[in-house]
Amino acid sequence: KQEVTQIPAALSVPEGENLVLNCSFTDSAIYNLQWFRQDPGKGLTSLLLIQSSQREQTSGRLNASLDKSSGRSTLYIAASQPGDSATYLCAVRPLGAGNNRKLIWGLGTSLAVNP
Amino acid sequence: DGGITQSPKYLFRKEGQNVTLSCEQNLNHDAMYWYRQDPGQGLRLIYYSQIVNDFQKGDIAEGYSVSREKKESFPLTVTSAQKNPTAFYLCASSTNTNEQFFGPGTRLTVL
Repeated sequence: KQEVTQIPAALSVPEGENLVLNCSFTDSAIYNLQWFRQDPGKGLTSLLLIQSSQREQTSGRLNASLDKSSGRSTLYIAASQPGDSATYLCAVRPLGAGNNRKLIWGLGTSLAVNP
Repeated sequence: DGGITQSPKYLFRKEGQNVTLSCEQNLNHDAMYWYRQDPGQGLRLIYYSQIVNDFQKGDIAEGYSVSREKKESFPLTVTSAQKNPTAFYLCASSTNTNEQFFGPGTRLTVL
């Protein structure tokens, strides 16, 4: 059974620091992995989608990597800003689930970037 | 502007009442989803639909019902059979590569 874990659950850093958020999954048979951001009381915003054949994706100051063999993805945030403060969630779509497109979710990392 | 809208933003339900949450998308996505989010828990899938007039139960479908009569719309009804409905409800739709996009959410509170 696929399980997704995000460690740490919470992280507090000073502004300007480069940081890495981790996402681990137990079964390497995945179709893709997606990173999201959620601000308090809001919906989720899609940040990056990595297909199983890809090793990384980049968008602005964000870079996400995928290592299926080790069951890990990292989200790298460069030069963090107070506006990056939010909860970051990762989700995987398992292979072999037919066409139901269901995602398996981590619990998220709550990030606080302090001015 | 393309996107997903949910209404209302806040909803209050009395005991024994059915309520319906609205979700509309103009992204031309075939698949749509309803999730429930509770503090300290991950997102849990209630129902999903891959095409008009078809939908499947997710992990916590008991006490909920849906319909998918139009591609753009996927309303969720929280019935009186749902014993603990107070939560944040999120609607999503996805592309053919399963990149999911979310609406702003509806917070439901039972009085």
